[in-house]
Amino acid sequence: AQSVTQPDIHITVSEGASLELRCNYSYGATPYLFWYVQSPGQGLQLLLKYFSGDTLVQGIKGFEAEFKRSQSSFNLRKPSVHWSDAAEYFCAVGSLTASKLTFGTGTRLQVTL
Amino acid sequence: GAVVSQHPSWVICKSGTSVKIECRSLDFQATTMFWYRQFPKQSLMLMATSNEGSKATYEQGVEKDKFLINHASLTLSTLTVTSAHPEDSSFYICSARDRAGASNQPQHFGDGTRLSIL
Repeated sequence: AQSVTQPDIHITVSEGASLELRCNYSYGATPYLFWYVQSPGQGLQLLLKYFSGDTLVQGIKGFEAEFKRSQSSFNLRKPSVHWSDAAEYFCAVGSLTASKLTFGTGTRLQVTL
Repeated sequence: GAVVSQHPSWVICKSGTSVKIECRSLDFQATTMFWYRQFPKQSLMLMATSNEGSKATYEQGVEKDKFLINHASLTLSTLTVTSAHPEDSSFYICSARDRAGASNQPQHFGDGTRLSIL
């Protein structure tokens, strides 16, 4: 069975500081990995996805993530966080057709000014 | 592009009422749509996969007769919570995948519906 672990429930960073959100997955085949962001009371917005190829993927809003097969990880990074980045971040893993996603429990990011 | 509209965004109703939530793909066609439920400060749990022109596929533990799903067209899926009770109060989110393009298209999410049953 597939599963996603986001070890950090809550992270606080200062505006302008770098950010790394951790994601570990368990999947029996080639994983297809996603990061989504959710603002309070809203749906999810896709930040980036990894299917194959270059293991460092670039997303929107200055985010990037690196797929490390040996560590079963897909950590999300941003070099300089903005106050508007405060939100809930979800990592998800899916099949080839991405037809069924399994989400992690989310990491809530708080940004201090 | 790839906009998914969900309506209503918030509904409050009395216990025993049936509530219908709509999920529309506005600028693409979706053979498959998904319905999730999210409890406060928790992750999304897939309830069912909605397939255009056929029966929905429900996840284990989800009551089919309680959560009726209809996917009558390539741009619309509906979730009806029948005889809703306070324990059905939650945040319901739909998503859709573009039928065009590669098979590995990501899911695009609606803004969710907050359902409160009194």
